[in-house]
Amino acid sequence: AQSVTQPDIHITVSEGASLELRCNYSYGATPYLFWYVQSPGQGLQLLLKYFSGDTLVQGIKGFEAEFKRSQSSFNLRKPSVHWSDAAEYFCAVGAGSGTYKYIFGTGTRLKVLA
Amino acid sequence: NAGVTQTPKFRVLKTGQSMTLLCAQDMNHEYMYWYRQDPGMGLRLIHYSVGEGTTAKGEVPDGYNVSRLKKQNFLLGLESAAPSQTSVYFCASSYSASEETQYFGPGTRLLVL
Repeated sequence: AQSVTQPDIHITVSEGASLELRCNYSYGATPYLFWYVQSPGQGLQLLLKYFSGDTLVQGIKGFEAEFKRSQSSFNLRKPSVHWSDAAEYFCAVGAGSGTYKYIFGTGTRLKVLA
Repeated sequence: NAGVTQTPKFRVLKTGQSMTLLCAQDMNHEYMYWYRQDPGMGLRLIHYSVGEGTTAKGEVPDGYNVSRLKKQNFLLGLESAAPSQTSVYFCASSYSASEETQYFGPGTRLLVL
């Protein structure tokens, strides 16, 4: 069965420190991969997505993610975190071309210390 | 260009009452979705639509109905609300299928007493 795992429920980092949020997926074919961010009381906003090609993708707000097929991972990174990055982050897999389905992870809540 | 909007933002219902949540998008998207978000469970798909006049069940459809009479609108109905339906509801839309970005509304917070 298709699934997405975000193993870290909460992460706390200091402002200016680097960040890596983990995402592992289970899917038979090459997936479509997404990272979304949800600020408190807001909807989800797309950070970046991977469909094919270069496995390192750049997104908005200085985020990047790397697709590693051998590890079934799509980890999100940022070299220097800002206080405004405090939010909840969701990894999602688009389960196949022509289907409707996104599978979301359970989210990682990021806290940033000043 | 408002994107995806949801009405209302917040609602309190008593058990057994009914209500309709409205989602509207102005991006001419074919696909629309209703999700619910519960703590520790991520987003779960309730119903979706692949075009005007079509609807289909998602992962957790029980207790909900939907309609897509106009391409830009997707309505989610609760005929007889239950406390288990206390949640935050998100509408989303996309141009086509799962390879496309889904655009989300700001959410509706529903409390069923």
